[in-house]
Amino acid sequence: QKEVEQNSGPLSVPEGAIASLNCTYSDRVSQSFFWYRQYSGKSPELIMSIYSNGDKEDGRFTAQLNKASQYVSLLIRDSQPSDSATYLCAVNSGRDDKIIFGKGTRLHILP
Amino acid sequence: DVKVTQSSRYLVKRTGEKVFLECVQDMDHENMFWYRQDPGLGLRLIYFSYDVKMKEKGDIPEGYSVSREKKERFSLILESASTNQTSMYLCACVVAGGLTDTQYFGPGTRLTVL
Repeated sequence: QKEVEQNSGPLSVPEGAIASLNCTYSDRVSQSFFWYRQYSGKSPELIMSIYSNGDKEDGRFTAQLNKASQYVSLLIRDSQPSDSATYLCAVNSGRDDKIIFGKGTRLHILP
Repeated sequence: DVKVTQSSRYLVKRTGEKVFLECVQDMDHENMFWYRQDPGLGLRLIYFSYDVKMKEKGDIPEGYSVSREKKERFSLILESASTNQTSMYLCACVVAGGLTDTQYFGPGTRLTVL
């Protein structure tokens, strides 16, 4: 059974600080990794994708991938109250288009 | 921009009713997915489709069926709605790019079955 694990939170971070969200996955052959943001009552919105080991930066967001340790993380710099949401980690093994989603981490940015 | 639309944002139905949830995408994508999302259970795949008239069962297909008569439209059908099908239903389509394909979601339908 392929799994994607996330801490459910809530993770509370002061405004302006760095928020660090972590995710581990079980399928060693996974090739593609995604982070989605989901506001309460809304649908998931893609914010980052990463395919290679290392860091990928996009504005205040940095995704980090370590395939040997089977973990992927998301860093949010200069956290804003608008970053308060649930963040879903998702993994695609590459065998088909099905994506396995974690259950999400609730992030709360404290003003 | 990828545009995925769903027929209703909120829907209230009675037990035993037949329910149709529609999903439409505007970019000629082949691959479309239906999920339901419940607190504590996350996103669970119900059905998916790789092409017109093609369907594959996901992880929780019981109580559901789907229809894909045209490439842009993927419908989820609850043959006889039950209260345990009260949930948020999310449609997604896949955009090919990079090493793999990325899923983009519609706005979701919050279904309540009384």
